Amino acid sequence: QKEVEQDPGPLSVPEGAIVSLNCTYSNSAFQYFMWYRQYSRKGPELLMYTYSSGNKEDGRFTAQVDKSSKYISLFIRDSQPSDSATYLCAMMEPRYGKLTFGQGTILTVHP
Amino acid sequence: DAGITQSPRHKVTETGTPVTLRCHQTENHRYMYWYRQDPGHGLRLIHYSYGVKDTDKGEVSDGYSVSRSKTEDFLLTLESATSSQTSVYFCAISEGLDGYTFGSGTRLTVV
Repeated sequence: QKEVEQDPGPLSVPEGAIVSLNCTYSNSAFQYFMWYRQYSRKGPELLMYTYSSGNKEDGRFTAQVDKSSKYISLFIRDSQPSDSATYLCAMMEPRYGKLTFGQGTILTVHP
Repeated sequence: DAGITQSPRHKVTETGTPVTLRCHQTENHRYMYWYRQDPGHGLRLIHYSYGVKDTDKGEVSDGYSVSRSKTEDFLLTLESATSSQTSVYFCAISEGLDGYTFGSGTRLTVV
């Protein structure tokens, strides 16, 4: 069993839709939870991170963490064609900052 | 990507040959990492460094070695390339959560 499991998708939604991306994890040592966005043939870029259970908002993006269920989500409101990318969840152990990634979800937002 | 450069960007090599990939940073960050990205696996950690000459293995280190003789450079060497090492390789640097930055990647094909 992988330490981090991510719904693989792919997801295809119309412009303006609400998108929900999800990951589960099994390692209780993970203390920081991140979402990365990766455009084709580019490196991942950090969207959001959080370290506590609850919600964190940044514009159209909301990251949600439930440590008791070992479950994290990213919600994208009013999705735009420019949101079309691969989204990766990642979990960090604080010592040395090593990241464990989910498999990634390919999102396409149609105009 | 600002402050981090990977070279080469693309490489085709033959099975059994040694290959070295270079990661160069101008941010003076302490931590540097090498990940590989394959379909269905997200990114997986190969090796990481927490200072000059301080390195350790990650999840998928077999067949790879690293060296860090200067803060700014982190080299990844495939001792004897195999087809299973065909992948996209990403270097990352970190000095904290916000400072986790990925390079643009090296696309390696082993034929």
